[in-house]
Amino acid sequence: KAGVTQTPRYLIKTRGQQVTLSCSPISGHRSVSWYQQTPGQGLQFLFEYFSETQRNKGNFPGRFSGRQFSNSRSEMNVSTLELGDSALYLCASSSTGVEQYFGPGTRLTVT
Amino acid sequence: AQSVAQPEDQVNVAEGNPLTVKCTYSVSGNPYLFWYVQYPNRGLQFLLKYITGDNLVKGSYGFEAEFNKSQTSFHLKKPSALVSDSALYFCAVRDDWGFGNVLHCGSGTQVIVLP
Repeated sequence: KAGVTQTPRYLIKTRGQQVTLSCSPISGHRSVSWYQQTPGQGLQFLFEYFSETQRNKGNFPGRFSGRQFSNSRSEMNVSTLELGDSALYLCASSSTGVEQYFGPGTRLTVT
Repeated sequence: AQSVAQPEDQVNVAEGNPLTVKCTYSVSGNPYLFWYVQYPNRGLQFLLKYITGDNLVKGSYGFEAEFNKSQTSFHLKKPSALVSDSALYFCAVRDDWGFGNVLHCGSGTQVIVLP
């Protein structure tokens, strides 16, 4: 089976712009979670989607949003980018509800 | 609230020596515990998990972890480290209340295996 894929792998944006990141889960996985990884904060949970519904949400401002499509693919959007949004954004999928399988991440740099 | 702590930012070990990466947890209820490894420019790779049962859990690449309820610890171990084990290791705990896949991760421990 193909693993979790994320596009794009690298992205450079300017403050104030918005960005959309995409995640395709492992085939058959209905749960998709998003995490932000920074050197200072480690991994922080953003949100989780299951069957097109947001099931959990982390403690991030409303500028961070997401959605899931009927084929379980998920997108994450960040509006009005700030320098502090520079991070590695990781997507993970799960079928059993126990272990999660992570994608390679999207490296976002905000200048 | 669920949380994990990894007290060591970095662990250095000589190749062939035993490797231990420490993790302590705090949960309300039964813990679902995980270890993940991250290589440069890669996502996290699942190593092993503890849900219930035997306190010694065996995982991928020769790694194992010991669940200790009284000490609330879940240390990762490998009997003989390889240079290729050099990576960033994360301990994580999941909410156990049925719904949701929210992982609470430690800050990570950088493992350096010296040849």
